[in-house]
Amino acid sequence: DGGITQSPKYLFRKEGQNVTLSCEQNLNHDAMYWYRQDPGQGLRLIYYSQIVNDFQKGDIAEGYSVSREKKESFPLTVTSAQKNPTAFYLCASSPDRTSGGTDTQYFGPGTRLTVL
Amino acid sequence: AQSVTQPDIHITVSEGASLELRCNYSYGATPYLFWYVQSPGQGLQLLLKYFSGDTLVQGIKGFEAEFKRSQSSFNLRKPSVHWSDAAEYFCAVGVNYGGSQGNLIFGKGTKLSVKP
Repeated sequence: DGGITQSPKYLFRKEGQNVTLSCEQNLNHDAMYWYRQDPGQGLRLIYYSQIVNDFQKGDIAEGYSVSREKKESFPLTVTSAQKNPTAFYLCASSPDRTSGGTDTQYFGPGTRLTVL
Repeated sequence: AQSVTQPDIHITVSEGASLELRCNYSYGATPYLFWYVQSPGQGLQLLLKYFSGDTLVQGIKGFEAEFKRSQSSFNLRKPSVHWSDAAEYFCAVGVNYGGSQGNLIFGKGTKLSVKP
C-alpha cells in the first residue's frame, strides 16, 4: 500500500528538549512538506523540500530544522528554541518538484506534540 | 499578497439538507484550487481540485465545487449531507513564486457539524 506514514502519533516533550518527528513516503514523490496546525489557524508551512539534500524555509521555520538525505524521508526536529511547540504536525508529499507549487499534496495522518 | 478566506468558521446543517461552504481567494495569476477534508485527529484528504477547463468540478463523496473567476470564489457544495460528512474542510490555492518554486496556501477551515 502506497502512502505517507508519520510516527509517533502522539509525542510528549519536556521543555528544553529537542524532539524529532518522522515522515516517510513510498509514493516516489519528489517534494515533501511539513505543516503545523493549531486550532482555528489552518495549516502553516514550516519547511519544504523539492529534491534530496535541498530544502526551503516556509512561513514559520524558526525553532525547527529538517533534513532530506533520502527521497522517501523528511524528518522534522522541533528544537528547544521553538517557544510554543504544542501543536498537530502534518507531513505531505507531492509528485512533481517542477510544478511550481501547483501540484496536489497528499497528507500523512499527523503527529500530535505536547510539551509538558 | 496571496490568501484564502473561508468566511464561515463553523456551520451546522441537518442530515439530508444541502450544503455550501464558501471560499474566496486572492491571487493574481490563474489559480489552481483545492478542497481538502479532515476528520478529527487525522490528516487531510483531497476532495477535488480545479486546474483548468470546466468550472464545475466533481469530487469524491458526492461533493462538487464551482470556480467563479469574476468572484474569486471556489465554493464547495453537496446536495444532501450525511452524518459522516461532519469534519473540517479546507480550501487551498496553489501559488507559484517563480520557476519551480511555489506552494499551497490554505484557508483557516470551516468546521461542519451535522444534526440528526
